[in-house]
Amino acid sequence: KQEVTQIPAALSVPEGENLVLNCSFTDSAIYNLQWFRQDPGKGLTSLLLIQSSQREQTSGRLNASLDKSSGRSTLYIAASQPGDSATYLCAVIMNDYKLSFGAGTTVTVRA
Amino acid sequence: GAVVSQHPSWVICKSGTSVKIECRSLDFQATTMFWYRQFPKQSLMLMATSNEGSKATYEQGVEKDKFLINHASLTLSTLTVTSAHPEDSSFYICSAPRTPVGNEQFFGPGTRLTVL
Repeated sequence: KQEVTQIPAALSVPEGENLVLNCSFTDSAIYNLQWFRQDPGKGLTSLLLIQSSQREQTSGRLNASLDKSSGRSTLYIAASQPGDSATYLCAVIMNDYKLSFGAGTTVTVRA
Repeated sequence: GAVVSQHPSWVICKSGTSVKIECRSLDFQATTMFWYRQFPKQSLMLMATSNEGSKATYEQGVEKDKFLINHASLTLSTLTVTSAHPEDSSFYICSAPRTPVGNEQFFGPGTRLTVL
């Protein structure tokens, strides 16, 4: 069974600092990996999708890396802003399209 | 990106009643949809896979007679919580992969169910 772990569980930084969020998974036979953002009481917003053959994916201030062999992915958020405060979820996608989620990292960016 | 909607966004019901939640893919066809449940301060847990034209498949520990899933068309899946009890109170979210464009998952906004 796929186990997804996210570290740290919570993170508080001053505005402008770069954020580093870690995700690890036990079964490296993944199809893809997807990072999401969730605001309190809301649904999920897809941030980045990394294909299993890719090493990284970038969108604006966001960059996600994937090391499939070691079962790790890292989400980098540059120059954080208060609007980045949310819970970030990592999910691995298996060949049957099922997602296994980590517990998330709750980020607070202080103005 | 693709759009998935859910209705209702929140519902409060009495214990023992049944509640139906709809999940629609608005701008693409989805032969497969997924239903997740999220308890407060916890991550999403997959409940079941909804398959258009066939029976849903349930994850271990999920009661199929309690959580009825019907995938009536290529754009609509429904989850009915039958004889709801307070412990069923949760945030229910559906998702759909848009294939063959890619298997990126698109999520609905979720439905908050509160059973009194």
